[in-house]
Amino acid sequence: DTAVSQTPKYLVTQMGNDKSIKCEQNLGHDTMYWYKQDSKKFLKIMFSYNNKELIINETVPNRFSPKSPDKAHLNLHINSLELGDSAVYFCASSQVGQPLRSPLHFGNGTRLTVT
Amino acid sequence: DQQVKQNSPSLSVQEGRISILNCDYTNSMFDYFLWYKKYPAEGPTFLISISSIKDKNEDGRFTVFLNKSAKHLSLHIVPSQPGDSAVYFCAASGDTNAGKSTFGDGTTLTVKP
Repeated sequence: DTAVSQTPKYLVTQMGNDKSIKCEQNLGHDTMYWYKQDSKKFLKIMFSYNNKELIINETVPNRFSPKSPDKAHLNLHINSLELGDSAVYFCASSQVGQPLRSPLHFGNGTRLTVT
Repeated sequence: DQQVKQNSPSLSVQEGRISILNCDYTNSMFDYFLWYKKYPAEGPTFLISISSIKDKNEDGRFTVFLNKSAKHLSLHIVPSQPGDSAVYFCAASGDTNAGKSTFGDGTTLTVKP
């Protein structure tokens, strides 16, 4: 019973295309995130949503648009894909705003390759 | 501006010995620190955390030490097992509302049988 699931696991596409990655969590968490892991293995936050509201947007190009239809889902749409977008994208969730901090629960990642 | 750094990209230890992974941070606003473990083709999984009001937290074979004055934390694994071979990420948070965590770039631990 996967806690944070994202699809697809692999995505190979050509420059200029538009693609989406979907994420769902069944942990009942109120906050979801997108992280990007580049070729240097560095995990960098892109977006965070709390109860469908965008709360973190870390200077990500406008070609990236997150959408949260409800607090259990956070999708990532990427327009006009570029070679530099090739990376592994991780969805995560946590419960924030409580005295006891909650760690992140990650999905298994989507490896995006732009050719 | 990398606020969380893991200066050792890799570490190799013998099974049964201690593994010590290090992490340094620069932002004095960080008050919660976590370690995550990542296997290939999987997402990072939470391992252990420590609040800035403590200097040590232990969970089984894993102990995290925090030295706030030096802005340094370390993860000790004793005894190390081959199954511990993975990439370990240090992360820091100072934002209780948004839950944003800043990650280091990872240390690959190899435990040899």
